[in-house]
Amino acid sequence: KAGVTQTPRYLIKTRGQQVTLSCSPISGHRSVSWYQQTPGQGLQFLFEYFSETQRNKGNFPGRFSGRQFSNSRSEMNVSTLELGDSALYLCASSFGGAVETQYFGPGTRLLVL
Amino acid sequence: TQLLEQSPQFLSIQEGENLTVYCNSSSVFSSLQWYRQEPGEGPVLLVTVVTGGEVKKLKRLTFQFGDARKDSSLHITAAQPGDTGLYLCAGAARSGNQFYFGTGTSLTVIP
Repeated sequence: KAGVTQTPRYLIKTRGQQVTLSCSPISGHRSVSWYQQTPGQGLQFLFEYFSETQRNKGNFPGRFSGRQFSNSRSEMNVSTLELGDSALYLCASSFGGAVETQYFGPGTRLLVL
Repeated sequence: TQLLEQSPQFLSIQEGENLTVYCNSSSVFSSLQWYRQEPGEGPVLLVTVVTGGEVKKLKRLTFQFGDARKDSSLHITAAQPGDTGLYLCAGAARSGNQFYFGTGTSLTVIP
């Protein structure tokens, strides 16, 4: 069974731009969670989608948004990028929910200049 | 808000030594997980503990969940270079809607 895939793996943007990241979960998994990982703040929960609906949300500004498609693939969008958005963005999929066993993708490393 | 504190933050030891990593919180969690993350990769789940006082062993790794389900420890016996990585604990909120990750412990095992 293929693992969680994320595209692109690396991305360089400038302040003010927007970016869209993609995550394809393990086949059969309906829950996709997104996390931001930085050296200073560690791994922080952004949001979770289940069956195309956002079910949970962390404490991030509205510039961070996401969506999930009928095939469970998910996208995350960050608008008006700031330098502090530079991070590794990880998605994790699970069968039923955000507190079940999660399988992480390799992440997308975003650098904002 | 960082709910889970891990210690130590960095650890560099010689191959063959033993070590313990701690994960502490003032909050109660319904379950707790430990992950290992290698550079350029996402975290990989090592174990899930759900019962206060539970001890699980995975080869040379021993995981313990505190009686009050507020803390946990990871003990590695006879560390090997392949154990090198970032170790993360993650507690499941009692509301059941998300995990809170610890600050992480970066382990380097020197051959």
